[in-house]
Amino acid sequence: DIQMTQSPSSLSASVGDRVTITCQASQDISNYLNWYQQKPGKAPKLLIYDASNLETGVPSRFSGSGSGTDFTFTISSLQPEDFATYYCQQSDNLLLTFGGGTKVEIK
Amino acid sequence: EVQLVQSGAEVKKPGESLKISCKGSEYSFTSYWIAWVRQKPGKGLEWMGIIYPGDSDTRYSPSFQGQVTMSADKSISTAYLQWSSLKASDTAMYYCARLSEGDGYNYYFDYWGQGTLVTVSS
Repeated sequence: DIQMTQSPSSLSASVGDRVTITCQASQDISNYLNWYQQKPGKAPKLLIYDASNLETGVPSRFSGSGSGTDFTFTISSLQPEDFATYYCQQSDNLLLTFGGGTKVEIK
Repeated sequence: EVQLVQSGAEVKKPGESLKISCKGSEYSFTSYWIAWVRQKPGKGLEWMGIIYPGDSDTRYSPSFQGQVTMSADKSISTAYLQWSSLKASDTAMYYCARLSEGDGYNYYFDYWGQGTLVTVSS
């Protein structure tokens, strides 16, 4: 199975900050990497698919990059509504795994 | 608009059986995989498995193989997740989600159900 190592597990940031989260795959997954946002008590929401494609309706301050084993998720200017937990997810031959999550908290 | 509507919260005792559901609407239910995802209280997301309602092809995460059973009734656009003997450790929120295909062999969850909270306690 492919393991996804996401870091950091939590971070504190202020409104307006640039936030970066990384996800590392245990083997090459090309660009088969997706990012989700989850707020407390809610289902996750797709933000980025195919490593760098922004889902329709998602603000452009969210972006993703990377391929192979190393991936980055960035919020260019953190907004109050962005405080949440973020997860990466890979799909390898329909065997799917999530990263451990990154909780973005208010500083 | 695509919707996945899950059955309501359940409270069960250890050893009891349970079947929860996920009803899809406003899309071709037989043309997309449906996934089940577990989230224990205060923890992260765990992929349990997927089912293709068109032919009931099912793939389980190794961590959940033999622990749960997934099924689907395409005539009523509904997927199911069931347990034959619940344990306290099955206490969690369970989400269903539709799987869409991106570039190449990339699959992502584009629509999610609202979740079903399962509590197992004596």
